[in-house]
Amino acid sequence: GQNIDQPTEMTATEGAIVQINCTYQTSGFNGLFWYQQHAGEAPTFLSYNVLDGLEEKGRFSSFLSRSKGYSYLLLKELQMKDSASYLCAVYDSNYQLIWGAGTKLIIKP
Amino acid sequence: ETGVTQTPRHLVMGMTNKKSLKCEQHLGHNAMYWYKQSAKKPLELMFVYSLEERVENNSVPSRFSPECPNSSHLFLHLHTLQPEDSALYLCASSQDRGGADTQYFGPGTRLTVL
Repeated sequence: GQNIDQPTEMTATEGAIVQINCTYQTSGFNGLFWYQQHAGEAPTFLSYNVLDGLEEKGRFSSFLSRSKGYSYLLLKELQMKDSASYLCAVYDSNYQLIWGAGTKLIIKP
Repeated sequence: ETGVTQTPRHLVMGMTNKKSLKCEQHLGHNAMYWYKQSAKKPLELMFVYSLEERVENNSVPSRFSPECPNSSHLFLHLHTLQPEDSALYLCASSQDRGGADTQYFGPGTRLTVL
């Protein structure tokens, strides 16, 4: 079966750096997404990786290694507003979007 | 109005009620989706519409009935639901179906079935 694994919950300190990992086992690969979802709100698009390497977008960066079936989302200079769930999702060979259960990130002052 | 909107934001219903969820997208997209989101579980895809035609139905019970009258509007009609159907129901849209298009989500309807 197809599967995406990410930690259930992580805690970090305001101003610090945190890395949220995502590993996937899918039938084929056509790109990986990261979304941010604040409690009670819509998931919002953060990043898309289809080639290996690091994509940087302000305080957020996303890394992909297709050979390892692995991605991470790196958040720098954490702010309280970064407290949210972070969802990893992969398009398989049939362009079905497979979702992880999300990582709840708690930021402490 | 921009993006994807959903109404109502919260809904409480009894098991014998009939209600409808509404989604509207203002992005000019051709594909629309219904997802169910339960706590600590991955998003579950329920229905997909492409150019107003249903292209996917992931073994969803018949008590959930979708309707897509045009490419901007999507409904989910609910009847005789069960308590385990309580969840956040998310609507999303993408430019097209079948490619690696980004999906854009509405804020969801928090449904509670008593």
